Amino acid sequence: QVQLVESGGGVVQPGRSLRLSCAASGFTFSKYGMHWVRQAPGKGLEWVAFIRYDGSNKSYGDSVKGRFTISRDTSKNTLYLQMNSLRAEDTAVYYCAKGNAPAPLTGRYFDYWGQGTLVTVSS
Amino acid sequence: DIQLTQSPSSLSASVGDRVTITCRASQSIIFYLNWYQQRPGKAPNLLISAASSLQSGVPSRFSGSGSGTNFTLTISSLQPEDFATYYCQQNYNSLTWTFGQGTKVEIK
Repeated sequence: QVQLVESGGGVVQPGRSLRLSCAASGFTFSKYGMHWVRQAPGKGLEWVAFIRYDGSNKSYGDSVKGRFTISRDTSKNTLYLQMNSLRAEDTAVYYCAKGNAPAPLTGRYFDYWGQGTLVTVSS
Repeated sequence: DIQLTQSPSSLSASVGDRVTITCRASQSIIFYLNWYQQRPGKAPNLLISAASSLQSGVPSRFSGSGSGTNFTLTISSLQPEDFATYYCQQNYNSLTWTFGQGTKVEIK
């Protein structure tokens, strides 16, 4: 069965960096686009970033563009999110999510989600 | 960018009630609209894709309809496990994905 397990969350000071990881199993990781979605405490869902199945294309939400970088390591079946210049408003649970469609399609929705990892940006 | 507006933001209902949640897009997204359920402290769970396609394992009391800019999620007979927050989501064009602000279904 598909499993997505996030790690790397924690408390970090404003302006600092953090890298999240998402270990994937139960499907052919190299064939699917992957996403990060976040949820601030008591708020709704916000799409953060996408990476194409082969890493050839990436996109970001406006609120993180230029600060966050999504990447993947197919040899390790792992998705990453490098978060730089963190702000208090980046405090959220970060979910890793699998795109629904196999290569070469992009996929229009998220069919599996991890349990999330909490990032708290505070001095 | 395409915006999604859900209504209502919250509602109170009783077990057995029929519940309808609306999602309106700022421009036509044809049928590229999906629905998720999120229970407290849990990750979202995909219920319906492409406006009306029920996902495997999702109870048949859930249904989706609509096209263009207006979409609905209906729960025909609300069950205790359905008290949760529901989100619509679209990806019509470009490499961006958007969620509605959510609808919280509470016990009356």
